[in-house]
Amino acid sequence: AQSVTQPDIHITVSEGASLELRCNYSYGATPYLFWYVQSPGQGLQLLLKYFSGDTLVQGIKGFEAEFKRSQSSFNLRKPSVHWSDAAEYFCAVDRTEYGNKLVFGAGTILRVKS
Amino acid sequence: DTGVSQNPRHKITKRGQNVTFRCDPISEHNRLYWYRQTLGQGPEFLTYFQNEAQLEKSRLLSDRFSAERPKGSFSTLEIQRTEQGDSAMYLCASSVNRLRLGEQFFGPGTRLTVL
Repeated sequence: AQSVTQPDIHITVSEGASLELRCNYSYGATPYLFWYVQSPGQGLQLLLKYFSGDTLVQGIKGFEAEFKRSQSSFNLRKPSVHWSDAAEYFCAVDRTEYGNKLVFGAGTILRVKS
Repeated sequence: DTGVSQNPRHKITKRGQNVTFRCDPISEHNRLYWYRQTLGQGPEFLTYFQNEAQLEKSRLLSDRFSAERPKGSFSTLEIQRTEQGDSAMYLCASSVNRLRLGEQFFGPGTRLTVL
């Protein structure tokens, strides 16, 4: 069965500092990986996705993620965090490219201090 | 607004009552999903439809839960005889079932509180 682990429940970074949110997945076949962001009162918004090819994927709002098969990881990064990035971030895995069911991690709450 | 919409946004009910939620997907999307999210957790898959066919149901979807998508457009999720453990955010998402276009677009959710 698929599973996703986000080891950090909360992370606090200073505005302008770099960010890395960790995600590890467990899945036997080729995973299809996603990062979503959820702000209070808002629906989940897709930041980026990995289906195949280049293991470094670019997303919206200046985010990027790197797929490392050997480490079963798909960590999310941003070089310089803005106060508006404060939100909850979810990593998710799907077993197909067609859009099946997503298995989510428990999320990481990002706080940004000024 | 052409996104996924859900109604109501909030529902407070007493234990034992029935509730029904509605989801309107993005119009050209043929897949529709329901998830449940409890405090401090990520969304958990409940069920999904392709057009009007319900293709998969999670073990989380007890016999008190039923979902329909009668004409392949909007969907309803009904919970009968609600229990306090049903209190959660219920999320709906939709997608296009095409290769590499499996991105799911989520609605704002319906927050259920069972007293």
